[in-house]
Amino acid sequence: QKEVEQDPGPLSVPEGAIVSLNCTYSNSAFQYFMWYRQYSRKGPELLMYTYSSGNKEDGRFTAQVDKSSKYISLFIRDSQPSDSATYLCAMKTGGGNKLTFGTGTQLKVEL
Amino acid sequence: ETGVTQTPRHLVMGMTNKKSLKCEQHLGHNAMYWYKQSAKKPLELMFVYNFKEQTENNSVPSRFSPECPNSSHLFLHLHTLQPEDSALYLCASSPEGLAASTDTQYFGPGTRLTVL
Repeated sequence: QKEVEQDPGPLSVPEGAIVSLNCTYSNSAFQYFMWYRQYSRKGPELLMYTYSSGNKEDGRFTAQVDKSSKYISLFIRDSQPSDSATYLCAMKTGGGNKLTFGTGTQLKVEL
Repeated sequence: ETGVTQTPRHLVMGMTNKKSLKCEQHLGHNAMYWYKQSAKKPLELMFVYNFKEQTENNSVPSRFSPECPNSSHLFLHLHTLQPEDSALYLCASSPEGLAASTDTQYFGPGTRLTVL
């Protein structure tokens, strides 16, 4: 079993839709959770960063962590074609700087 | 130049060649990383340097040799690679390095490597 599971997609939605991206994990020691966005031919860029359980909102993006279910989500409201990218979840334990990544979900927002 | 830069952006090499990838960060960070990104697979951490000292080697074959001359520069020396080493090689940096719980990583654009 992989430490972090993420559906690779592709996920195709119409412009304006609400997008839900998810990851599950098996290591209960993970405490810090991140979402990265990666455009084609670019490196990943940090989108959201959360600690422990709860929600965090930043503009059209909401990150949600449910540690009891070992499940994290990223919601994108009013999706735009510019949101088309691969979204990577990443997480780490309290110590050290080693990140564990999901495989990434490819999202396409169509006009 | 800002952020994390990588050169070259694309590289094609034969299995007997020797080449080097370069990474430079302009963020004043103290930790630098090499990752390998292959299609449909999670990012694989290869090496970690904290304050110029290698602190992690994630069972990487010896045909990959990292070098960190200072906290702003990181190299990955390549020799006698195999076709399965073809991938996107990403460099990242983070502010505080070891034992910094809230540390986050910032990535460069990557080098697309093809081994023939």
